[in-house]
Amino acid sequence: GAVVSQHPSWVICKSGTSVKIECRSLDFQATTMFWYRQFPKQSLMLMATSNEGSKATYEQGVEKDKFLINHASLTLSTLTVTSAHPEDSSFYICSAKNPGRSTDTQYFGPGTRLTVL
Amino acid sequence: AQTVTQSQPEMSVQEAETVTLSCTYDTSESNYYLFWYKQPPSRQMILVIRQEAYKQQNATENRFSVNFQKAAKSFSLKISDSQLGDTAMYFCAFMKVSGSRLTFGEGTQLTVNP
Repeated sequence: GAVVSQHPSWVICKSGTSVKIECRSLDFQATTMFWYRQFPKQSLMLMATSNEGSKATYEQGVEKDKFLINHASLTLSTLTVTSAHPEDSSFYICSAKNPGRSTDTQYFGPGTRLTVL
Repeated sequence: AQTVTQSQPEMSVQEAETVTLSCTYDTSESNYYLFWYKQPPSRQMILVIRQEAYKQQNATENRFSVNFQKAAKSFSLKISDSQLGDTAMYFCAFMKVSGSRLTFGEGTQLTVNP
């Protein structure tokens, strides 16, 4: 199996509030998960790599204090957008590797659309 | 650093016909993986096909096949007997064998017309 879910699928929040997005591997254990951001009609931009039980590795230019990532179990990683602002509005996608199936392929969640008013 | 380039922002094809999407990449690695993902209007990323660079044989998955030219650093995707459900954004992606991060191209929006 290689099913990845995300919750919520869409969220609207007020400026200044925090929003948590969950990413779950439903039928496998994922030691590594990834968080991407995608603007309309653009490619995916890797934000961070999340490893179970350790701190996430953030890409250059991504504010780790703003985008908090926690990977507390082998099936769950969370992305919290703190003090969200309208410019944080975007489509956020997670992915996970299934080492039991393939060491190289990432399986993607359905994405979360965040709108900050 | 690796780069992936998709030079065709948009393409269209008639249903049942064949279309080829282009992808080139730049790397100093000798072994790596290449992927094509599709993102339909639902925005769910779906793996279409993968290729291991050390394998000379081109990967095939049903109506989807690749033309992998390692020396030219080219990795094109051929879709045969195009179907309306093939309408999607297609992304070419690169990954080092020793790494885990994917580097994506800019994407090609494919529209299949009835």
